[in-house]
Formats: sequence, C-alpha cells, structure tokens
Amino acid sequence: DTGVSQDPRHKITKRGQNVTFRCDPISEHNRLYWYRQTLGQGPEFLTYFQNEAQLEKSRLLSDRFSAERPKGSFSTLEIQRTEQGDSAMYLCASRQATGGSYGYTFGSGTRLTVV
Amino acid sequence: LAKTTQPISMDSYEGQEVNITCSHNNIATNDYITWYQQFPSQGPRFIIQGYKTKVTNEVASLFIPADRKSSTLSLPRVSLSDTAVYYCLVVAFKAAGNKLTFGGGTRVLVKP
Repeated sequence: DTGVSQDPRHKITKRGQNVTFRCDPISEHNRLYWYRQTLGQGPEFLTYFQNEAQLEKSRLLSDRFSAERPKGSFSTLEIQRTEQGDSAMYLCASRQATGGSYGYTFGSGTRLTVV
Repeated sequence: LAKTTQPISMDSYEGQEVNITCSHNNIATNDYITWYQQFPSQGPRFIIQGYKTKVTNEVASLFIPADRKSSTLSLPRVSLSDTAVYYCLVVAFKAAGNKLTFGGGTRVLVKP
C-alpha cells in the first residue's frame, strides 16, 4: 500500500491524559501536514514539515501540542493533558514539494474522543 | 488567501449531473483552484484542479470562467457512492507551504 497511513484509527482517552498519533506518509513525499477536523467542519491546518524541519505552526497548535518528524520519514503528533475540546479527527497528508501532482494525499485520520 | 463560498448542501438522483459552483471573488493571479471529496470517516481525496478554462479528468470536469471569480465542479451521471462532502479550495502557487484552507464544503446527497 503506497498511501498515507495513520495509527491508531480511533483513540478514546480520559481528560488529562497524553496521547500520541503516528503518520506514515508516502515514502517519496517530502512534505507532511497535520490537520484537525471537527464534526461538520472542514479540516483545519495545524502544522507542516518539509523533511524533518517543522516550517509552520498554526495558532490552533497550543503548547499542549507537539509534532515531530525525525529523519524526515514518519511523524508523530502528541497532545498533552487532553481536554474535551481536543476531540476531533486528526488528519495527516503528504505531498511532493516539487514535480508530480500538486494534489495532497490524506490518510484516513485518527479519531480522538476525550471523555 | 481568497475566501471561497459554496452551497452548504445539494440533493441529486442517480444518473444525473451534479454541478457545484464555488465563488472566490478575491482570487489572486497566482492562485489555482482545487477540489476535494471527502467520505465519512475518511480523509479528503483530491479530485481535480485548474487555473482557467476547462479541465477534465476521469472523475469530473472543472469549469473556470475568464475572470476566475468562480468555478464549477461538474460530476457526470452520479451514483449513490458519490454521496460525500465536496470542498472548493484556492491554493496559492508559491514554493513554500501550500497549505490547504478548507471551508465548510458542500454536502452532496445522491438519492436512488
């Protein structure tokens, strides 16, 4: 499978716990993006990486959120001290910065429920 | 970045053509228009993109008038499986970022 993989698909956690999500992009894609989507809304940009460098972060990405992309391959998104408002679908996307299609490839997302 | 406006929802029937028009009055010279489709519990899927006139692929057609202030996604002969949310986006053509800014999308319901 050459698509974008996200793990886990679903996560239920208690308020105050830490959670970590993983994204494996398409191997030749050097850009990786994280988005958050709440029910009935379009995805909202959180952050993106070019290779291992995190180049932009949204104001939505509070200090409880951290993302990494070691070695420019897979990426992790960690949420510390989760709050009920963090409940959402977290989507990862990748694309090649130069050449090829401009279209992004999204994963199926990780649905987080904070209880 | 240009804001997009599209209908909240549309109903159609199997076999009909569905046309979704998106307004982007403040589109810049270097912006292009792209459309994504999203099924429940899945990530958005790229459908088509264009800069001007008409673009067609195996899934859809995209019509962009000369002033580029709007665009129309055309889905020919829809089936039940085309029920989804369709997003119109304007993307800046620049080297860095190219992050996508989604609006609320258009919920298309295809009925039997």
